[in-house]
Amino acid sequence: DSGVTQTPKHLITATGQRVTLRCSPRSGDLSVYWYQQSLDQGLQFLIQYYNGEERAKGNILERFSAQQFPDLHSELNLSSLELGDSALYFCASSEFQTVRSYNEQFFGPGTRLTVL
Amino acid sequence: AQKITQTQPGMFVQEKEAVTLDCTYDTSDPSYGLFWYKQPSSGEMIFLIYQGSYDQQNATEGRYSLNFQKARKSANLVISASQLGDSAMYFCAMREGIEGKLIFGQGTELSVKP
Repeated sequence: DSGVTQTPKHLITATGQRVTLRCSPRSGDLSVYWYQQSLDQGLQFLIQYYNGEERAKGNILERFSAQQFPDLHSELNLSSLELGDSALYFCASSEFQTVRSYNEQFFGPGTRLTVL
Repeated sequence: AQKITQTQPGMFVQEKEAVTLDCTYDTSDPSYGLFWYKQPSSGEMIFLIYQGSYDQQNATEGRYSLNFQKARKSANLVISASQLGDSAMYFCAMREGIEGKLIFGQGTELSVKP
């Protein structure tokens, strides 16, 4: 158990719908990362938050958004869902790192999204 | 841009033997970190081992060791004494930028035969 929790574990929805994925980082970790794992794109970084602020953005679609709340949990919102959004979405947390530091990222169990 | 390449989509190894999973990387940043993660069929990502670009020695963690060849830009994972439970997808990743986001290779599926 990494200490990172994600809910729900599975989510099945229809095209055009909107869903929210939730992540609670490990106690004390201020940084949250979201990744998408799909068959065609592999594992891709989406977005990172640190202590409530957006710090880095990857290949995240405009239909997707995220935020980190004062209690440090994070939510990833996916809207106008398409079939191609079906994927495993991971949240990871870590301490904010500095150059040369170890900064292991602890991954949650993931949310498997299926868009029908 | 940074890039991670894993050229072995799938590999087989006999139980109790050693196996090497290949990973090459490309970066112009002198400071970087390399990670290996294991993903069993259940889906979770399990951290295995880390190598920093300034580390003088190859990293080791139990049965896992990292063959780090900086000049060749390779960071191969060596698993000694393979076990049936080692059957999984293995991902090589590089930490990118001050924010620490990870970029991943395409993965290698390892199957351990009894």
